[in-house]
Parts: sequence; structure tokens; C-alpha cells
Amino acid sequence: GIQVEQSPPDLILQEGANSTLRCNFSDSVNNLQWFHQNPWGQLINLFYIPSGTKQNGRLSATTVATERYSLLYISSSQTTDSGVYFCAVCSSNDYKLSFGAGTTVTVRA
Amino acid sequence: DTEVTQTPKHLVMGMTNKKSLKCEQHMGHRAMYWYKQKAKKPPELMFVYSYEKLSINESVPSRFSPECPNSSLLNLHLHALQPEDSALYLCASSRVSLGYNEQFFGPGTRLTVL
Repeated sequence: GIQVEQSPPDLILQEGANSTLRCNFSDSVNNLQWFHQNPWGQLINLFYIPSGTKQNGRLSATTVATERYSLLYISSSQTTDSGVYFCAVCSSNDYKLSFGAGTTVTVRA
Repeated sequence: DTEVTQTPKHLVMGMTNKKSLKCEQHMGHRAMYWYKQKAKKPPELMFVYSYEKLSINESVPSRFSPECPNSSLLNLHLHALQPEDSALYLCASSRVSLGYNEQFFGPGTRLTVL
């Protein structure tokens, strides 16, 4: 199956800092999603971005499908940004979402 | 409305009990999914239903029995579970389209097996 690698595994930020999370994947994809899992376990959809660039407030994402990676940018981080960020992909002929191991982000006040 | 609901939020059961988890969506999606997530791990796919038919079973033990009674509902029947089955169980839904199949997740049921 498709392999998904996320880096870094852990990230500690001071409030107001900017950061970049990376997702590498091993094959062509027709679905790439970024999620934020809050402390209660809810997976919140951040972006559906199999290619291109999108922005939503302080968050933005870029996927370069030809080079098989995606980046999630967090600007002016807030304590509410803490949690685990997952990248997940589906291959071109599949509905199965394969998740990366996640990046645990801790934002300190 | 991009909401997927799950009940109950928490469930504690003994190894001889029979219980069910429920999931509901009203987004008109015709694909529904069950995932299992252990602590500090990513979600792992268990089952996929497409047009109310089981299309993917990721070699899940038979003590987990899924059911899709209609296009909005998905159940997971539990029987004779083991303590290692304790986990967060997540339901998701999406369109049935390889061109666009963004998945939306419910809040999960946190299951503890004693």
C-alpha cells in the first residue's frame, strides 16, 4: 500500500511562532487531506488538497503531486493549535485513506 | 451540513457483552467507513461500505460485525471483545467518487473493554 511519512514527529512552539509540517507519500494520489485531532479525539478537516495551494485563515497548505509531498503552514500559532496533525492519502484507484504517523504540536503561551 | 454523529460517546463493556456503535450522516454520502484508533497511533481502516454494500473488510476479526441499514446509518455490532479492542472508534463518510472523495469524520466512540 501507499506509504505516508510525516515530519517532524513532535513540534514545540511559542505562541505567535510560525511552523511548517511536511508529508511525503510514495505513490500518486487522488485524495490528500490534512486533519487536526483535538484532545477529545475529534478529527477536524483542515484541507482537501490533492494538488495546488489553499489557505484558510492562519493555515495554508501546498501539495506538489509530481514530487509527492505536501506542506502545512501554521502562522502566528495559538495555544488552540495544539494537537496532532495528520496527513492522509488515497491512491488513484482506492477509497482507503492511509494516514501518516502524525505530528504532535504543542503551542506554549 | 458537514456533520457526522456517533453514539455513544463512551462505552464500557465486559468481554461477554453485546453492544452496538451507531453512526449517522445527512450529507447524502454513499460511502461510509469504520476506523479504529489506538492511543498515540493514526486511525486504521476497518470497513468500507459503498452504496450500502460492504466493499472493503481489512481482515477484521468476526467479533466486529458492521451493518449499513440505509444510506444514512452505519452500525458496528460488538460481541465477545477482548481488552486489546479498547480504542477510539471513528466513523467517516464521503462521496463515492474517485475524483473527489473527501472524508468527514464523526467525534468517535471511546470504547473500554474490561
